[in-house]
Order: sequence, then C-alpha cells, then structure tokens
Amino acid sequence: AQKVTQAQTEISVVEKEDVTLDCVYETRDTTYYLFWYKQPPSGELVFLIRRNSFDEQNEISGRYSWNFQKSTSSFNFTITASQVVDSAVYFCALSEASSGATNKLIFGTGTLLAVQP
Amino acid sequence: DAGVIQSPRHEVTEMGQEVTLRCKPISGHDYLFWYRQTMMRGLELLIYFNNNVPIDDSGMPEDRFSAKMPNASFSTLKIQPSEPRDSAVYFCASSLRVLGNTIYFGEGSWLTVV
Repeated sequence: AQKVTQAQTEISVVEKEDVTLDCVYETRDTTYYLFWYKQPPSGELVFLIRRNSFDEQNEISGRYSWNFQKSTSSFNFTITASQVVDSAVYFCALSEASSGATNKLIFGTGTLLAVQP
Repeated sequence: DAGVIQSPRHEVTEMGQEVTLRCKPISGHDYLFWYRQTMMRGLELLIYFNNNVPIDDSGMPEDRFSAKMPNASFSTLKIQPSEPRDSAVYFCASSLRVLGNTIYFGEGSWLTVV
C-alpha cells in the first residue's frame, strides 16, 4: 500500500544552521512522483518541487536541495543556512501512476520546522 | 496568472447550519480536488473532478457533505448540517490532466463550527 512517512514531527534550529527534513515513501508502482509542499503560518500550501521516479538526479534551488534515493525509498529535503522565513510545516507527498491521470496526492504527516533567530 | 481562489477564507458557523465553500480553479486545469486538513487526520482527499465530472468521492466523510462543479471555473463543497467535528481547513486544488503534474492549492477555507 502507498504511504509517506515523515518521522520528524518537529525540528527546531537556530538561524543559519542547515537542516534536513526526512521523507520515506512506500509504493508498488514503478512510476510515481514525489512532491514537497510548504505550509507557512499563514496556512496556504505552496508547491516546492516535483520529481518522477525515473529521475534520481539531486536538485538544488538556492538554499533548498533535494536528495532522491530509490534504494532507500527516500526523498529528503535540505535547507542550507536556514532563515526565520523558512519556519513552516513541510509536507512530502506521493502520486502513483496506478492512480491513473488523477494526480491523487498521498501526504505525509508533515514536519514543523521552527527557525529561531 | 491567478492561482486557485477559495472563499470564504474564514467561516465560523453554528452547529446545524449549512456551510458552502467555493473554489475557482486555475484556468485551463482539468482536475479539481477538495482536501481537508485536520490535526487528527492530516491532509485527506475528499473528492475530485475531471472535466467537471465527479470521479471519486470515496473520501467524503458522510452524506452531510456534497460537492458540485457546474462548470470548469467553479466548484462548491457543501456541508449540511454542519457539526463541530467538521471544523478544519478545506483546500481546493487543481491540476492539468497530465500524470504527475503539479497540483496547485488554494489558500484554504478555515471552518469553525461551534
């Protein structure tokens, strides 16, 4: 069965520290997509990144980077030199090809990141 | 381009009242989703539409919940009668009809039933 696990419920760091948010997924599909969303205190869900199961290349976008490893079924998210504005709940999500062209997202429970000044 | 637009942003209502949440998806998107977020259950899919047709409503909790999409640019989620346990954030989202395409979310409707 499909599942997304974010074992870290809360993380607190001091500004400028690097922080990694873990995401482990389960799926029987060979074709699937992984996402990260950010939910700041204002409440909206902001799309950050999408990866497909055939592209294991790591991605960097500014201070954000993502490490996709199929061997460990993980899609971890690292923020370098964290800032207070990074404080939010971060969700990892999975979409499986077997769900058809529906793009149904299965969400993890989220990790609350608190960046202290 | 405008994103997914939801209204109202916040609603406080009394138990037993009817609640209607509204959504305008991103223009050109074929899929529309309604999600609910609660502390206990996290983010869960309630129902989704493809080209205005409801495809899967298995996530709708009870008959008190209903959703419609009369046209490509408008959808409603209705709760009648509302109960305190319906208090949650309701998100509308939309995407193109491409497998693995990004789902874009609205800002959510924060519902409190007292």
